[in-house]
Order: sequence, then structure tokens, then C-alpha cells
Amino acid sequence: DGGITQSPKYLFRKEGQNVTLSCEQNLNHDAMYWYRQDPGQGLRLIYYSQIVNDFQKGDIAEGYSVSREKKESFPLTVTSAQKNPTAFYLCASSASPLQGRNSPLHFGNGTRLTVT
Amino acid sequence: KQEVTQIPAALSVPEGENLVLNCSFTDSAIYNLQWFRQDPGKGLTSLLLIQSSQREQTSGRLNASLDKSSGRSTLYIAASQPGDSATYLCAVQGSGGYQKVTFGTGTKLQVIP
Repeated sequence: DGGITQSPKYLFRKEGQNVTLSCEQNLNHDAMYWYRQDPGQGLRLIYYSQIVNDFQKGDIAEGYSVSREKKESFPLTVTSAQKNPTAFYLCASSASPLQGRNSPLHFGNGTRLTVT
Repeated sequence: KQEVTQIPAALSVPEGENLVLNCSFTDSAIYNLQWFRQDPGKGLTSLLLIQSSQREQTSGRLNASLDKSSGRSTLYIAASQPGDSATYLCAVQGSGGYQKVTFGTGTKLQVIP
């Protein structure tokens, strides 16, 4: 079945450590996204990528980094510079304008990161 | 700046009742609006996507409508079931490409058997 796989489901880290969250999709989508979800707030965009080897900052990119070396993969690194990293992180993908403009967003099951 | 509001934040109904969830947005220049379902600790599942040129979309017991001029969308759930219990979010894609998707904070629905 086609879909988005995020791993791990739960992640615990000590303050000051960098951590990388995995996101893999087999939907043949060009565009991929990282969102952060906090209680009582809507999803906020961290980074997005519309094509391999290209990515753009979203609304809250500070303290995060990404790479897009393969179409299927869009890992997110939470660095020690992120002041409040504990959150639920969601990866999403969608088709590009060439594949169909009104393409719905598809989400993975998320990674819950806890930093102490 | 687009703002998306969902009221109420929580809703509890008895099983079998028909119900309506509301979503309002401030900027009517949208490309589409999408309704999602989120179960606790899980990702978002796409329910319906309404393109800006459409008025409504239907899938099974779900019907979503869109009124761009008034900045409103509703999600109608017929004959609610306990399995419908979840948080429902709407998301609006505006101008500026794929990155410009604004999410509401959701309505938490509980269907009581």
C-alpha cells in the first residue's frame, strides 16, 4: 500500500542533542512537508520541499534543518538551537502542480519527540 | 494572513445523531479546502477535498460544503457512530503555492453509544 512512513513513533532525547526524524513516502509525490503540532494550536509548517535537492523554510524553521537527496525521503533534524523541541511532528506529501494542482495532503502517523 | 477557526472546540452527541462541524476562514482567495480526521496520537487522515470551484463533496456519510464568499465550510456527518469519535480539522490552501496551507485547531467529537 502506498503511504508515508515516519519513524520512530516515540523519541526521547537529552537537551543539547541533535536528533533526526525519518520520513519516507512511496506515493511518487514531488512535494513533502514537515509540520509541528502542539496542544491547542493548529499545525505549523517547519520546512517544505517541492522537488529533490530543493527545500524552503516554513513559518517556524529556526532550530531545524532538512535534506531532500531522494524523492522518497525528507528527514528532519531537530538541533540543539531549537528552544522548545518537545512536540508531535508530522510529515506530509502531495503531488506537484505538474501532477495535479488540487492534490490532497497525505500524512504519516507522526513522531512524538520528548526532550528533557 | 489567513486565519482558520473551528467552533466549537469540542462536541459530544448521542449515537445516531446527524451533526455539522464548522470551519471559517478570513481570506476567500483559496485554491481548496480539505477536511481531515485525527485520532489520538495519530497522523491526519484526509476525508474530503473541495476545490475552490466546487460547492460540495460527498463521501459515504460525510458531506462537505464550501461557501467562499462568506469564508465558511461545513462538514456534515450523517447517522453518527462511536467510531466517528476523533478530532476533525479543516485546512485551507491559499495563494502562493503548496506551502500556504493554514490549519484550524480542530473540533474534538465524541459520539456516545
